[in-house]
Amino acid sequence: DAKTTQPPSMDCAEGRAANLPCNHSTISGNEYVYWYRQIHSQGPQYIIHGLKNNETNEMASLIITEDRKSSTLILPHATLRDTAVYYCIVRGSGAGSYQLTFGKGTKLSVIP
Amino acid sequence: DAGVIQSPRHEVTEMGQEVTLRCKPISGHNSLFWYRQTMMRGLELLIYFNNNVPIDDSGMPEDRFSAKMPNASFSTLKIQPSEPRDSAVYFCASSLLRGTEKLFFGSGTQLSVL
Repeated sequence: DAKTTQPPSMDCAEGRAANLPCNHSTISGNEYVYWYRQIHSQGPQYIIHGLKNNETNEMASLIITEDRKSSTLILPHATLRDTAVYYCIVRGSGAGSYQLTFGKGTKLSVIP
Repeated sequence: DAGVIQSPRHEVTEMGQEVTLRCKPISGHNSLFWYRQTMMRGLELLIYFNNNVPIDDSGMPEDRFSAKMPNASFSTLKIQPSEPRDSAVYFCASSLLRGTEKLFFGSGTQLSVL
């Protein structure tokens, strides 16, 4: 699976949009971009994933560049409960691509 | 849906003792994962089961670690004998894993080996 690069930490004001970047320049054509987050003392939680097109769900939006070498996770209105470590992970599809390899992620601090 | 259930939530034991961690995956899921998280190494995959069969145990640190999945609704991770360096948070996760399905993680077991 392709390697990802994320900033170690970011701050965001409460109520503002949080934009978390991720670089995955070696991503291959059949690999998906996944985002998980881990709130302190809890297990990782799935947020969203995508292949080529932008995706949106009740938690966040995922913007993937046209060349697929980078992506941005957007939390439209960050709250204090969104303070967590956010992991960007690249993973293939199919039964053989089962592993989620977690890097160090981005520690997002939402400031009141 | 109760989610992935792990027990115990916390475990404190002495070096040399046997430790057993337990996991109940989400009903209907066919894949189960054990992860370990430490400050130094982050989240590491220890072992992966598919349809109750261990598929990849390359992440299991050494022979002191063993994992079983006797049926679709239960798995154990055993450490015997335990050592202080085994202190970590151990997470269990389950998934349908037929393509791009997401993993659901339990709340973890905080293990402290004194």
